[in-house]
Amino acid sequence: QQQVKQSPQSLIVQKGGISIINCAYENTAFDYFPWYQQFPGKGPALLIAIRPDVSEKKEGRFTISFNKSAKQFSLHIMDSQPGDSATYFCAASGNAGNMLTFGGGTRLMVKP
Amino acid sequence: DAGVIQSPRHEVTEMGQEVTLRCKPISGHNSLFWYRQTMMRGLELLIYFNNNVPIDDSGMPEDRFSAKMPNASFSTLKIQPSEPRDSAVYFCASSGGGATYNEQFFGPGTRLTVL
Repeated sequence: QQQVKQSPQSLIVQKGGISIINCAYENTAFDYFPWYQQFPGKGPALLIAIRPDVSEKKEGRFTISFNKSAKQFSLHIMDSQPGDSATYFCAASGNAGNMLTFGGGTRLMVKP
Repeated sequence: DAGVIQSPRHEVTEMGQEVTLRCKPISGHNSLFWYRQTMMRGLELLIYFNNNVPIDDSGMPEDRFSAKMPNASFSTLKIQPSEPRDSAVYFCASSGGGATYNEQFFGPGTRLTVL
């Protein structure tokens, strides 16, 4: 099963709040889990990524939490800002080389 | 680096017409991907090339779609004949080389409207 399931589909957060987006996967061969950020009219761009040898990775206000046993990973955006309003995609990659399997996307709106 | 270049940025055509989308990957990248994005189906991988060779085309919807990569710096996605349900944003992405070889760099996309 190659599917990556992402939730929620949409999220509204107040400025300064924490945004949390969750993803779950089935394929235990996946070994690379990136998050992509997409602004309207633009292509997705890599935001942050993690490999399963660590349980957490933090870059600025963005943190990935990874639970290998549960086959789940999540993106946390601390101190969310209106400029973070975008669509976020989780993805996973494994033995298929450079191919990424994307989740369905989460449209985040941060209200001022 | 100019990034991944796609043309045209917008295409409006009538049902039954042939449509050709073009992509120039980042120099030095050896993998190229074509995606389609719609509200209903999200981001779908259509086809994946490695070193100019198609590796996985299982996402190509039907025989009306074809893709080529004649050299490392150019790829096309052709739809013939086009149908209104092909309306979507089509992205090209490339990746390859370096420690973060899995990172895919996306182009700005081509917004296709089939009337």
